[in-house]
Amino acid sequence: NAGVTQTPKFQVLKTGQSMTLQCAQDMNHEYMSWYRQDPGMGLRLIHYSVGAGITDQGEVPNGYNVSRSTTEDFPLRLLSAAPSQTSVYFCASSWDRFNQPQHFGDGTRLSIL
Amino acid sequence: EDQVTQSPEALRLQEGESSSLNCSYTVSGLRGLFWYRQDPGKGPEFLFTLYSAGEEKEKERLKATLTKKESFLHITAPKPEDSATYLCAVQRTGNQFYFGTGTSLTVIP
Repeated sequence: NAGVTQTPKFQVLKTGQSMTLQCAQDMNHEYMSWYRQDPGMGLRLIHYSVGAGITDQGEVPNGYNVSRSTTEDFPLRLLSAAPSQTSVYFCASSWDRFNQPQHFGDGTRLSIL
Repeated sequence: EDQVTQSPEALRLQEGESSSLNCSYTVSGLRGLFWYRQDPGKGPEFLFTLYSAGEEKEKERLKATLTKKESFLHITAPKPEDSATYLCAVQRTGNQFYFGTGTSLTVIP
């Protein structure tokens, strides 16, 4: 089973460029989320979705957009990259939002120059 | 303010030397506390969920416990392959997850 698949694994951008981080899961999970992980800080929630067509903001949503057109896919878009967005990004999914452990992808390591 | 604090930040153990990792939390309306293991370059891997004070879960050399203010991850007779970063997360009413910064465990052969 593939689980949660994130692409690309590594990316370097210039300030002001845009890009989309891809996330796909094959477990038919309703709940999906995006986190960023920075040194000395815990994983911080960017955006989440409780099902197709429904998204909401997490703790650090500024500078990021998401959409959820299918159950399987939950892309994260950076519209105008800034150096402060240099981080490791993780996508996660679970059966629902209630007390369920999340399954994580292996991350996208993003550097903004 | 909702907060999750893990200690110590780093821990070095000799193989076979048992110890405990701590996760203290201050969140209102705890729905669940989760332990994850994270290896370098990988995403967190789920270990345990604890829902109420007094609950315990075990898996191989790991045992997780929960009180009203903190959780412990006990590691009995660790092996080098237990070396990883261990993350604690809590879910509160409203379903937001809050993660600690983790404990980096190194087990020396």
